[in-house]
Amino acid sequence: AQTVTQSQPEMSVQEAETVTLSCTYDTSESDYYLFWYKQPPSRQMILVIRQEAYKQQNATENRFSVNFQKAAKSFSLKISDSQLGDAAMYFCAYQRTALIFGKGTTLSVSS
Amino acid sequence: EAQVTQNPRYLITVTGKKLTVTCSQNMNHEYMSWYRQDPGLGLRQIYYSMNVEVTDKGDVPEGYKVSRKEKRNFPLILESPSPNQTSLYFCASSLGWGSHGYTFGSGTRLTVV
Repeated sequence: AQTVTQSQPEMSVQEAETVTLSCTYDTSESDYYLFWYKQPPSRQMILVIRQEAYKQQNATENRFSVNFQKAAKSFSLKISDSQLGDAAMYFCAYQRTALIFGKGTTLSVSS
Repeated sequence: EAQVTQNPRYLITVTGKKLTVTCSQNMNHEYMSWYRQDPGLGLRQIYYSMNVEVTDKGDVPEGYKVSRKEKRNFPLILESPSPNQTSLYFCASSLGWGSHGYTFGSGTRLTVV
């Protein structure tokens, strides 16, 4: 069965700094999708960024980028120029058929 | 507006009293799923559906039922709720397998006393 592991329950960053959230996953499939979701205190689940496993190029969305290492089954999220509004819980997710989540990383941002 | 609508947003109920949480999407999505979120456990899938009349168990299906009689609706039924089903529940939908990702509802905070 596929699993997703986020090894950092909590992270903190200063405004304007860069932070990287880690995610590893386990699968025997070669074709799948990976996502990072953000859950602010409003509890709404917001899609931040997505990566297709067949693409070697790392996805980028404005200040958010990923480092996708397929062989290592690693999918980290980098947030550049952190803002107070980035404070949230971040979930890494894997999709082959079902969407499977990690346990989340709580990111706090200080001014 | 494209969205997934869950109702109610908050619910307090007593043990054993049957309840239904409704979920509806207006995006003509094929896939729909139910998740529960508990502190320290992330989101765990309860049931999912890849098409009308097709449903499959997720990781934590015990104590829940679903149905998919029409494409837009995917209700979650708790026939006899128990306190260990106190949780935050999310419904989500997706166009299908691929990079579309899932669109989530706003969540239902359920408390069973």
